[in-house]
Amino acid sequence: DQQVKQNSPSLSVQEGRISILNCDYTNSMFDYFLWYKKYPAEGPTFLISISSIKDKNEDGRFTVFLNKSAKHLSLHIVPSQPGDSAVYFCAASVGGGADGLTFGKGTHLIIQP
Amino acid sequence: DVKVTQSSRYLVKRTGEKVFLECVQDMDHENMFWYRQDPGLGLRLIYFSYDVKMKEKGDIPEGYSVSREKKERFSLILESASTNQTSMYLCASSLLRLAGTDTQYFGPGTRLTVL
Repeated sequence: DQQVKQNSPSLSVQEGRISILNCDYTNSMFDYFLWYKKYPAEGPTFLISISSIKDKNEDGRFTVFLNKSAKHLSLHIVPSQPGDSAVYFCAASVGGGADGLTFGKGTHLIIQP
Repeated sequence: DVKVTQSSRYLVKRTGEKVFLECVQDMDHENMFWYRQDPGLGLRLIYFSYDVKMKEKGDIPEGYSVSREKKERFSLILESASTNQTSMYLCASSLLRLAGTDTQYFGPGTRLTVL
């Protein structure tokens, strides 16, 4: 049973445009959500997080939106840059993440010049 | 800056061998985690630890054990490696068990191939 779903295995976006990566979850107990970025042969790098008490969190070019009623979150990257090409993982946890994270399968974002 | 290091970037072992994967963090974090990453499956939690000598099973602990003798070091052990344990292994650490704040920081990963 996959509790965190990223339904788009890949996404291609033109440089300068907005990239929107989506994530759905099924476990209503999740209260902390994170996005990680991963380059090949490297460990995931933390990007941005959001607690379930918020519906938006912004950090520079990255914004995460949380819709609890729809059990959906999205990551917006504006403007998209070539260095943003990577695999993006959505992750969720119960109780803040200390008991491990549940990850989606990832979305490969490709920024076209 | 948080630094999580893993003993090997690439490892090749034979079926039946005992394998040790080492992870060290230098930020005095309480929590440490082992995940494996496989194509099309994302990251899956194997084991984690809240403190020295404490361990908890994750989602896929079968075939693995762990050891945490010191706060900064967390080892993943494959008692008898099998080909289905060929994977990328990722170690992570985080600071405290506080709700809503516990971001995990990852090491570079160990690509293990079992022949």
